[in-house]
Amino acid sequence: DTAVSQTPKYLVTQMGNDKSIKCEQNLGHDTMYWYKQDSKKFLKIMFSYNNKELIINETVPNRFSPKSPDKAHLNLHINSLELGDSAVYFCASSQDVNQPQHFGDGTRLSIL
Amino acid sequence: AQSVTQPDIHITVSEGASLELRCNYSYGATPYLFWYVQSPGQGLQLLLKYFSGDTLVQGIKGFEAEFKRSQSSFNLRKPSVHWSDAAEYFCAVAQHGSSNTGKLIFGQGTTLQVKP
Repeated sequence: DTAVSQTPKYLVTQMGNDKSIKCEQNLGHDTMYWYKQDSKKFLKIMFSYNNKELIINETVPNRFSPKSPDKAHLNLHINSLELGDSAVYFCASSQDVNQPQHFGDGTRLSIL
Repeated sequence: AQSVTQPDIHITVSEGASLELRCNYSYGATPYLFWYVQSPGQGLQLLLKYFSGDTLVQGIKGFEAEFKRSQSSFNLRKPSVHWSDAAEYFCAVAQHGSSNTGKLIFGQGTTLQVKP
């Protein structure tokens, strides 16, 4: 009965590859987010979708493309992976933009 | 621009001792304020939040936080720390009102170590 689930939990791949991270929430929330946590544990928002519409797009390379097929899912696709993309990526959701966010357990991405 | 500062990168306390983690924010109006905890290999769990009203808010696991507008602070406290409280603690701020996008701005985090 996991509220916000991300797959995979670990992702190890080589530079230049394309990979996707999936996120699903079963809370019935309208808003979903992607955050990046770097090696110093600093958390920064990347994207946010509200009712499947993009509402936040921070200064993120266009190699990163979020996709929201429905309100319960927000996937993150990354093209041409670079060493600097190594991080933990967290998905989160909230009832709406004014409510607290619930986080998944993260996906640790390691680029070789 | 909004920002959050957690002045203490690392804090060590003895089990049973009291705890205070500091958080200062920069924001033009009263923001929404949050404290999250992250255990190793886990996601972030919401401890408590402040939106409006009583400036002393109670959270889960025996934590509380006090919003002080004059000091732009939202410090987290616990009267008696348990070994299981060892984790990373993040303070966060979000703007509210019609311009709110839900964007959370996080502090750098404070690592709490608990000595037996």
